[in-house]
Amino acid sequence: EPEVTQTPSHQVTQMGQEVILRCVPISNHLYFYWYRQILGQKVEFLVSFYNNEISEKSEIFDDQFSVERPDGSNFTLKIRSTKLEDSAMYFCASRPGTGNQPQHFGDGTRLSIL
Amino acid sequence: GQQLNQSPQSMFIQEGEDVSMNCTSSSIFNTWLWYKQDPGEGPVLLIALYKAGELTSNGRLTAQFGITRKDSFLNISASIPSDVGIYFCAGQRVGNTGNQFYFGTGTSLTVIP
Repeated sequence: EPEVTQTPSHQVTQMGQEVILRCVPISNHLYFYWYRQILGQKVEFLVSFYNNEISEKSEIFDDQFSVERPDGSNFTLKIRSTKLEDSAMYFCASRPGTGNQPQHFGDGTRLSIL
Repeated sequence: GQQLNQSPQSMFIQEGEDVSMNCTSSSIFNTWLWYKQDPGEGPVLLIALYKAGELTSNGRLTAQFGITRKDSFLNISASIPSDVGIYFCAGQRVGNTGNQFYFGTGTSLTVIP
């Protein structure tokens, strides 16, 4: 069964550095998402992306964050000038373009900011 | 932001017992979903519900979409040790832009053999 893949599985970065998290959504899906989950807490929506542009974003997704679909398969989340509180699991998800189809999640990237 | 209240927060049950958890919201959703998350992994979809009143089963799991569209429950019958994990509900509103999901606060399930 096709799945969403994320790399790396664990990223350790110094505070203040930029980090790029990568996702390969399921190939025929049209909507893409990033979520964050701080350890022990619920999954929080960051941003949704459709037709090569951001369709919605949460208050968490400030100017520090950006997303990009640089080619036909990858979907990236960039965090500029990382802060300690950015440490979390980051999940990518995708869903087809029709109807109420649910999102399918990747296994996440654990981001540790030192 | 949108708040989905999920209860109970945690459950400790004996193997073989049935489990029930629910999710409520102050807002209406078009779709309710239930996910299970194992440690270090992403949420995995268990059941998706698309119509108010809908009752759907997936093996030992049964979920219902509340009539008011503001709530949903998940039941697990005859629990087994591999049911251990965190269960999240999620609500979705469908729009032209593929709206965001809102996740519940999670129910941590521990099954004692």
